[in-house]
Amino acid sequence: GENVEQHPSTLSVQEGDSAVIKCTYSDSASNYFPWYKQELGKRPQLIIDIRSNVGEKKDQRIAVTLNKTAKHFSLHITETQPEDSAVYFCARDRGSTLGRLYFGRGTQLTVWP
Amino acid sequence: SAVISQKPSRDICQRGTSLTIQCQVDSQVTMMFWYRQQPGQSLTLIATANQGSEATYESGFVIDKFPISRPNLTFSTLTVSNMSPEDSSIYLCSVGADDEQFFGPGTRLTVL
Repeated sequence: GENVEQHPSTLSVQEGDSAVIKCTYSDSASNYFPWYKQELGKRPQLIIDIRSNVGEKKDQRIAVTLNKTAKHFSLHITETQPEDSAVYFCARDRGSTLGRLYFGRGTQLTVWP
Repeated sequence: SAVISQKPSRDICQRGTSLTIQCQVDSQVTMMFWYRQQPGQSLTLIATANQGSEATYESGFVIDKFPISRPNLTFSTLTVSNMSPEDSSIYLCSVGADDEQFFGPGTRLTVL
């Protein structure tokens, strides 16, 4: 179906701890799985993405893993900092056009100093 | 990445009126996308705008309510017609660059 299920909806961690957000989907045609960070009053900002031919991708403190067989992908943030506090959205493409994305409901991440 | 600008950044409108939102990109792109983000919610795709053809609308969105123009490869407009308070949202345009998808700053619309 259309939905991308995202969990948890809220996540609070202590500075320096890790944060993990998970998304599941059902359409096997999806090939592109971006993650966006949205700070209050600002546009969604692409932080990392992964394609279906890769199982894991890392960029400094951020990593994304994809299990295409099980149809789930996760965002991992290590050594969290207060500036990581924001709403994070996962998304998936619709299998045909890159820009036609379905979004998860978002996760409000709060990192306490 | 692509540099995307939108006008206006925000507006307050009366019900029954229409507002046209502009999106400008710093490079030529084949497709431009319009999304809506209702207060405290996620993003929902409204339509895909192609230059030289009619826009393609997603389920639940119709051309009479959200007419779109795409006169060239760097510009698009979205009109929100006959507005009601339920149309109060952030409207964002989006384009692809280097196989990634980027968003404009959004237009925050409040309908009274």
